[in-house]
Amino acid sequence: GESVGLHLPTLSVQEGDNSIINCAYSNSASDYFIWYKQESGKGPQFIIDIRSNMDKRQGQRVTVLLNKTVKHLSLQIAATQPGDSAVYFCAENSGGSNYKLTFGKGTLLTVNP
Amino acid sequence: ETGVTQTPRHLVMGMTNKKSLKCEQHLGHNAMYWYKQSAKKPLELMFVYNFKEQTENNSVPSRFSPECPNSSHLFLHLHTLQPEDSALYLCASSNRQGSNQPQHFGDGTRLSIL
Repeated sequence: GESVGLHLPTLSVQEGDNSIINCAYSNSASDYFIWYKQESGKGPQFIIDIRSNMDKRQGQRVTVLLNKTVKHLSLQIAATQPGDSAVYFCAENSGGSNYKLTFGKGTLLTVNP
Repeated sequence: ETGVTQTPRHLVMGMTNKKSLKCEQHLGHNAMYWYKQSAKKPLELMFVYNFKEQTENNSVPSRFSPECPNSSHLFLHLHTLQPEDSALYLCASSNRQGSNQPQHFGDGTRLSIL
């Protein structure tokens, strides 16, 4: 299987609810992780990143959690809005350097008004 | 995202045509990348350039030929493509200096091979 994968291919939430998107990775040597958002017709947009020396990092309405014990990464979006509807990818630095990122297939998040 | 600009946004070409995709980054980065995005598949890394030097060719067929004249510009020259090459081609850039830095993507070129 692929190094980086997602537990749920689709996620549907109500506007205002919190969303949690999960990602599993298999390379225990990976030390850098990124979440991207891709809207229809656009390229992936950087959301937030986290290094392996951290367990949690917060941004504006988003939080990334890293559990190295079980090799799990999650993205939490607070007060989800219709504009959050997109495909979300996680990526890991599995090549020992900055540039070799391995991407998951993505989770489609749909926010219902 | 205006930091990485790709042209054209859409391209339809026959298998015998020659065309080029262009990418320009305005972020002051020194590494640039080409990715292929096909339906229902993860992003596939094709090429990496660091300070204009190619540092990665991920077993890409020779019908794809990259060119990086400087740290701000990246091209992908296309020749004798196959229908399975139809995909979204994404360019990205990053700063290789210091510790891990995220890659920033353009909006891609949607390529259709007839």
